[in-house]
Amino acid sequence: EAQVTQNPRYLITVTGKKLTVTCSQNMNHEYMSWYRQDPGLGLRQIYYSMNVEVTDKGDVPEGYKVSRKEKRNFPLILESPSPNQTSLYFCASSTLRGSGLGTYEQYFGPGTRLTVT
Amino acid sequence: AQSVAQPEDQVNVAEGNPLTVKCTYSVSGNPYLFWYVQYPNRGLQFLLKYITGDNLVKGSYGFEAEFNKSQTSFHLKKPSALVSDSALYFCAVNGDKIIFGKGTRLHILP
Repeated sequence: EAQVTQNPRYLITVTGKKLTVTCSQNMNHEYMSWYRQDPGLGLRQIYYSMNVEVTDKGDVPEGYKVSRKEKRNFPLILESPSPNQTSLYFCASSTLRGSGLGTYEQYFGPGTRLTVT
Repeated sequence: AQSVAQPEDQVNVAEGNPLTVKCTYSVSGNPYLFWYVQYPNRGLQFLLKYITGDNLVKGSYGFEAEFNKSQTSFHLKKPSALVSDSALYFCAVNGDKIIFGKGTRLHILP
C-alpha cells in the first residue's frame, strides 16, 4: 500500500529536550515536505526537499532541522523544543512536475501531535 | 506575493442540498490548483486538481471544482451533500511555491 508514515503519532516533551519525528514514504517520490497545522493558520510549510541531500526552508523554518540522506526518509529534528512549537505536524511527499515547476498532488502522513511543556 | 484565500471559516449545508466551498488565489503564471480534505484525527487526503484544459474537474467522493481564470477562483462543489462530507477542506496552489489556504470547516446538517 502506498503510504507516508510518521512516528511517533503523539509526543509530550519538555522544553529543551531534543526530539526527532521520523517520516518515510514508499512511493519513490522525489519531493518531501514538513508542515505544521495550527488553528486559524492552516498549514504552514517548515522545510522541503526536492531530492536526496537537497533541502530548503519553507515559511516557518526557525527552530527546526531536517535531513534527506535517503530518498524515502525525511526526519524532522527539534534541537531545543519550545512551547510555541506545540502543534500538529504533517509530513508529505509528491512527484515533481519538472525543473522549477513545483509538484503534483501531495500524499500526507497521519500527523504527529507534539506538546512541549 | 502569492496567496490563497478561503473566505469562509465554516459552511453549513443541509444534507441533500448542493454545497460550495470557496477558494480564490493570487499567483503568477499558470499554477496547479488542488483541494484536500481532512477528517478528524487524520492527515490530508487529495480530492482533485486542476492542471489545464476543462475548467470543471471531477474528483473523489462526488466532488468537483470549477476553475475560473478571470476571477482567479477554484471553488469546490458537490450537487448533493452527505453528512459524511463533514470535514475540514483546504485549497492549495502550486506556483513558485506551495501555498495552502487556512481551511474551511464544512458541516452537513442531517
